[in-house]
Parts: sequence; C-alpha cells; structure tokens
Amino acid sequence: DTGVSQDPRHKITKRGQNVTFRCDPISEHNRLYWYRQTLGQGPEFLTYFQNEAQLEKSRLLSDRFSAERPKGSFSTLEIQRTEQGDSAMYLCASSSTGDYNEQFFGPGTRLTVL
Amino acid sequence: EDQVTQSPEALRLQEGESSSLNCSYTVSGLRGLFWYRQDPGKGPEFLFTLYSAGEEKEKERLKATLTKKESFLHITAPKPEDSATYLCAGRNYGGATNKLIFGTGTLLAVQP
Repeated sequence: DTGVSQDPRHKITKRGQNVTFRCDPISEHNRLYWYRQTLGQGPEFLTYFQNEAQLEKSRLLSDRFSAERPKGSFSTLEIQRTEQGDSAMYLCASSSTGDYNEQFFGPGTRLTVL
Repeated sequence: EDQVTQSPEALRLQEGESSSLNCSYTVSGLRGLFWYRQDPGKGPEFLFTLYSAGEEKEKERLKATLTKKESFLHITAPKPEDSATYLCAGRNYGGATNKLIFGTGTLLAVQP
C-alpha cells in the first residue's frame, strides 16, 4: 500500500506531557499538510510544507505546537505540555505540486489527553 | 472570511431512495471544490474535485456538480454501504496557501 501512513494511530497521555506524531506521505508527493478534527466538525488546517519548507501555519497552531519535515519526506508534529483541549484526531495529507493537486489523507492519530 | 456550509447536517434514507447533499461556499478565488467521504474513526477518502461552474463528475452512485455559489452531491439509489459522513472543502487562491477549508459534513445513514 502506497498511501499516507500515520503513527501512532492512537495516543493517550496525561495533561502536561509532550507527544509526537509521525506522518509518511505518498512517496512522490512533495506537499504535506497537517489538519486537526474534533468530533462533529470538519478538519481544520494547521500547517503546510512544500518539500522541507514550512510555508504556512494557522493561528490555531499555538507555541506549544511544532512541526518539522527535515528531509522533505516524513513529517513530525509535536505538542508540548498537552492540554485537554488538544484531544482530537490529527490528520496528515499529501499532494503533488501543480493546479490539480488533490490532497490524500492518512488514517489519522487519535489523541486523548486525560 | 472564507467559509463552507453543508446541509443537511444529517440525512437518513431508505435503500434506493435518491437524494442530494448541499455545499455552499464563500471562498475567495476558489481553486477547486473537493468532496470527501469519511467513515467513523478513519481519515477522509477523496471522491471528486470540481474546478469550474457547470462541471460534473460521477463515480458509481455519486455525482457531484458545481455552480458559482454551491455544489451538490447527488446519490442515486443508495445502498447501506454508502453510509458515511460526506465532507465538502474549498481551496482558495493566492500566496503560498494550499489549505482546504472544510464544512462540518453531512452524516448519511442508508437503511436497508
């Protein structure tokens, strides 16, 4: 299977702990996106990479959130000092460049902060 | 402010009962209107992209259409396996952004 993969699929943590999620995009895609989805809502954009460059960050992405894509391949999203409000599904998507660049999503990482 | 609104929030159909889902958008310089299907606990699955008013795309029992203000997802003779949340998203034009702006989705339940 050559789709977008995410790890872990589920993460339970205590408030105040740090967590890190990984996303592996479709191999030929140079664009990578992170979204967050809470129950009953559509995904909300967090940040976007083209190759290793982080080109856009949402106002939703507080100082506790940091994302990297060091070699332009996989990406990590770290949340420091987690809060209960961080509980959500974190989705990664990838696309190619060009006008017709549909975003394909991974299965997501479900984060629960106790 | 860019916004995507979907209706209804939830829809219950009998197997074989055709219907339509609505997605209205106010996205500046829209560069693509996307439809996704999402099953519980999973990531969105890409269905269609529409780029210009009047465009239509079909896949099995689904057909998506686009006007200058809204998009419709028509479901013909649905089956229980079509039950899912259907998400609509717009992508705006300008600068470095390629983000999708999603609606809250329509939860479709098809009963046998």
